[in-house]
Amino acid sequence: QQPVQSPQAVILREGEDAVINCSSSKALYSVHWYRQKHGEAPVFLMILLKGGEQKGHEKISASFNEKKQQSSLYLTASQLSYSGTYFCGTEGAESGGSNYKLTFGKGTLLTVNP
Amino acid sequence: NAGVTQTPKFQVLKTGQSMTLQCAQDMNHNSMYWYRQDPGMGLRLIYYSASEGTTDKGEVPNGYNVSRLNKREFSLRLESAAPSQTSVYFCASSDWTAIKETQYFGPGTRLLVL
Repeated sequence: QQPVQSPQAVILREGEDAVINCSSSKALYSVHWYRQKHGEAPVFLMILLKGGEQKGHEKISASFNEKKQQSSLYLTASQLSYSGTYFCGTEGAESGGSNYKLTFGKGTLLTVNP
Repeated sequence: NAGVTQTPKFQVLKTGQSMTLQCAQDMNHNSMYWYRQDPGMGLRLIYYSASEGTTDKGEVPNGYNVSRLNKREFSLRLESAAPSQTSVYFCASSDWTAIKETQYFGPGTRLLVL
């Protein structure tokens, strides 16, 4: 089942914050976050494993709530370079990390304006 | 390291023609994947190869075949192209046996079927 991302799109001014959510209808083992700029390949941002950890990458961080079966990506003090489409990819918990596959959400388009 | 490479970058086909998309990785990864990306649909898995010598269907396999030629190379074949196969195709690879590993994407092949 494809995870559901919200919002579908968000427009920010430089310096503003944003939160992107990724929800699944099934239990998750891991959540992977990617950013894709127009005409380019998706680029890996971070991975979160079952256990509710929170990770950070510069001013971008994420959390994983396995009980709620959801992950959130936090972008603080946004920069123009943050513009792009953000995807979450999920791996189901039934595999215990050996599923080899990710199921991606439809993406969230983030636009940062000056 | 070149990472994941794909050829060709662009292709125009007529309905009914066949073609093979090539993918190679130099990261010594065990697993390789083929996705298609259509506007508003996110990344959908076509086929994947968990390890050399194995291939499995993904979410949208109809109309495609794959070959895992060796550990480095994974090709995708369209036997009789249809306009519905117009899309951007991404190849990805991963060392799924490693802890906290994710997928790395190639630059994509843009295919137009007339």
